Amino acid sequence: QVQLVQSGAEVKKPGASVKVSCKASGYTFTKFHIHWLRQAPGQGLEWMGIINPSAGITNWAPKFKGRITMTRDTSTSTAYMELTSLTSEDTAVYYCARERGEMGATELCFDYWGQGTLVTVSS
Amino acid sequence: QSAVTQPASVSGSPGQSITISCTGSSSDVGGDKYVSWYQQHAGKVPKLIIYEVSDRPSGVSSRFSGSKSGNTASLTISGLQAEDEADYYCSSFTSSHHYVFGSGTKVTVL
Repeated sequence: QVQLVQSGAEVKKPGASVKVSCKASGYTFTKFHIHWLRQAPGQGLEWMGIINPSAGITNWAPKFKGRITMTRDTSTSTAYMELTSLTSEDTAVYYCARERGEMGATELCFDYWGQGTLVTVSS
Repeated sequence: QSAVTQPASVSGSPGQSITISCTGSSSDVGGDKYVSWYQQHAGKVPKLIIYEVSDRPSGVSSRFSGSKSGNTASLTISGLQAEDEADYYCSSFTSSHHYVFGSGTKVTVL
């Protein structure tokens, strides 16, 4: 069965960086895009970016330009998202999610989600 | 702040039908067929319930249905049940090749 397992909760100080991992299993990692999303406490969902695990090509929402880096390790079927220059407004649960449908036949939505990683930014 | 708007809350009695709207622009919701809906119970991970405007993933109840007219998509829950009490989010692929989410709707079963 498809599973996305994320790394554990993090507490960071303002100005620091955080790197969240997302280990995929139950499918061919390189055939499906992986997205990163977040949800601040009591708020809605926000799309952050996407990585093509096969080619490593990324795209991100404009508000994260210059602060977000998405990478992957195909040998371990793991995707990573690093966010730098953290502020209190980055306190949120961060999710990875798989795009539904293999590349080339994708349905542009998110069918499997990781369990979420709480990142708390506090001095 | 989300550019795609949903009503903050919708409520209904068990057995009734309710509809949640999702209003965007021609650059997102109105632009193509890639509108999806997610159900999120309190403290849980979002779950895909509708994709490509009106398709349901395997295992999702037929009580959930989706539609779209112009720049507004809609999610209808028929035969409302207590287990449907949750937050619901629409999402759309955009002309910028990004994704945008609606502001979210809290569904209360009276």
